[in-house]
Amino acid sequence: TQLLEQSPQFLSIQEGENLTVYCNSSSVFSSLQWYRQEPGEGPVLLVTVVTGGEVKKLKRLTFQFGDARKDSSLHITAAQPGDTGLYLCAGSYPQGGSEKLVFGKGMKLTVNP
Amino acid sequence: DAGVIQSPRHEVTEMGQEVTLRCKPISGHNSLFWYRQTMMRGLELLIYFNNNVPIDDSGMPEDRFSAKMPNASFSTLKIQPSEPRDSAVYFCASSFRGQTAGRNQPQHFGDGTRLSIL
Repeated sequence: TQLLEQSPQFLSIQEGENLTVYCNSSSVFSSLQWYRQEPGEGPVLLVTVVTGGEVKKLKRLTFQFGDARKDSSLHITAAQPGDTGLYLCAGSYPQGGSEKLVFGKGMKLTVNP
Repeated sequence: DAGVIQSPRHEVTEMGQEVTLRCKPISGHNSLFWYRQTMMRGLELLIYFNNNVPIDDSGMPEDRFSAKMPNASFSTLKIQPSEPRDSAVYFCASSFRGQTAGRNQPQHFGDGTRLSIL
């Protein structure tokens, strides 16, 4: 069974601070996705990383896929209150001729003004 | 463009009652997923369909849960009879899977149905 552990589970910081969220597994994934979820809404895809060691940047967000494709990190620079939300990582793996996603439990981020 | 549409947004009912959740995927998407989200277990895949056919229902917790997709634009998740431990937010998501390796196709989520069983 593929499992994804995210850390920290909760983080409350001040506007302007930097932070890093980690997503770890003992399993290898075909790709890894990061989602952001706001209260009362569904998760929204931020990025997909596919290649081991890949780094993608989305404005102040930097995503990295581990060399072995078992882990990933999300770094946010100069966090803003609008970054508040639940950040979920999800690993994709083949099963039964299709690709399935397994989600971590998420990291709840609060950015205080 | 309309996203994934789920109804109802909220459902409160007494245990033992039948509950039916509905989902309209994005037009043109051929894969549909039902998830359940709780604080304890996070987001869990219950079942998914490709081209209206159930592919993997290993995540369906019990026989009380059933899902159908009668056509490409509609799916239901039914719980009968419902129990308090079924209380959760249920999400539907859809994506497009091409004939050649759709591993990177993103899933688009609806806003969920918050279900409370009393």
